[in-house]
Amino acid sequence: GAVVSQHPSRVICKSGTSVKIECRSLDFQATTMFWYRQFPKQSLMLMATSNEGSKATYEQGVEKDKFLINHASLTLSTLTVTSAHPEDSSFYICSASLRDGYADTQYFGPGTRLTVL
Amino acid sequence: TQLLEQSPQFLSIQEGENLTVYCNSSSVFSSLQWYRQEPGEGPVLLVTVVTGGEVKKLKRLTFQFGDARKDSSLHITAAQPGDTGLYLCADSNKLSFGAGTTVTVRA
Repeated sequence: GAVVSQHPSRVICKSGTSVKIECRSLDFQATTMFWYRQFPKQSLMLMATSNEGSKATYEQGVEKDKFLINHASLTLSTLTVTSAHPEDSSFYICSASLRDGYADTQYFGPGTRLTVL
Repeated sequence: TQLLEQSPQFLSIQEGENLTVYCNSSSVFSSLQWYRQEPGEGPVLLVTVVTGGEVKKLKRLTFQFGDARKDSSLHITAAQPGDTGLYLCADSNKLSFGAGTTVTVRA
């Protein structure tokens, strides 16, 4: 149980285009999902918290108009990188929180490698 | 803001050797998770610990949680190349992650 998927796994796009990444919880409902960005050999950097049915909460320094988040249902959150530029190239990972008895644990998707040319 | 420090940053050992990585927090953990991440993939949950002094074993991996719930260690016995990866500690409730320890096990 507690499986999270992401699509696509890899995407290459031209500068100026928009890219949508989907995150799905396959066997549980997630009212809250999270989006992270990870640079090579570094840890995860939280970008935003995606809330089902309401606006996302963005971390300081993350442009909400640049990284559009929509949490359309209890099993789907999407991250759209608008007008992508080479500096947006990174590994994007989503997670969903699940209460395991006495602790909230995050389960991660496999990540999406974005390369902007 | 909770700060998680992991040490060492990098660790390279020969197959069959033992290793220990550490995680220290500036504040008490709500709950502590250890994850392993392989290159190009998302982190995979290894264990969740909640109770101070708790010890959990997962095959060759032993996880210890400090009595004060501010530190933890992960010990791997007889490491194998498949143990290679980035080991992350986290407090999921607080969305805090350590910088990770990159472990390389040489065949």
